[in-house]
Amino acid sequence: GEDVEQSLFLSVREGDSSVINCTYTDSSSTYLYWYKQEPGAGLQLLTYIFSNMDMKQDQRLTVLLNKKDKHLSLRIADTQTGDSAIYFCAESIKLNTDKLIFGTGTRLQVFP
Amino acid sequence: NAGVTQTPKFRVLKTGQSMTLLCAQDMNHEYMYWYRQDPGMGLRLIHYSVGEGTTAKGEVPDGYNVSRLKKQNFLLGLESAAPSQTSVYFCATTPLRIAGGTLGTDTQYFGPGTRLTVL
Repeated sequence: GEDVEQSLFLSVREGDSSVINCTYTDSSSTYLYWYKQEPGAGLQLLTYIFSNMDMKQDQRLTVLLNKKDKHLSLRIADTQTGDSAIYFCAESIKLNTDKLIFGTGTRLQVFP
Repeated sequence: NAGVTQTPKFRVLKTGQSMTLLCAQDMNHEYMYWYRQDPGMGLRLIHYSVGEGTTAKGEVPDGYNVSRLKKQNFLLGLESAAPSQTSVYFCATTPLRIAGGTLGTDTQYFGPGTRLTVL
């Protein structure tokens, strides 16, 4: 079955690193994504990783993929108050429809 | 270039009323999707379309209908609204997937959402 799970909340101090975790069940995933949703807005693609990669770094963002354990994480270095949002991981599992399965979202709160 | 727009932004309905949500895109994308977002449940796919004139059911299609008469528009209809349909609705689009293509063909672009309340 297709299931993507995330913890619901994460609270960090400004300047610290944040690590948001995600587990998925479908081993045929092709791409895995991280989306950010700010209050009252739609989802914005942050970064992604192809399923044959272990790590991807993009400025303050580092994505780690453990395909054996079906575990995906997003690390935000030097977290800022502007990073406060809900973060969704998603997996793309079918090649011909681009259907995404989303996790429940992790609400990141950054305090001074 | 407006990207993906949704109309209306907010709506309050009474049980049994009908309405149509409009998603419009100016990026010439082939695929369009309707999701609903509920607290603690992430996004769930309602219906999607892989091209003009085509529609398909997603994860939670019951109580909704869709139409894709024009490539740039994807309409979501509620024939008889129920309180369980209170949610935030998001439209998304994706360009045509090219076999062996780059990730750009997989990225979904989201609209700003429509908040619907059914009393």
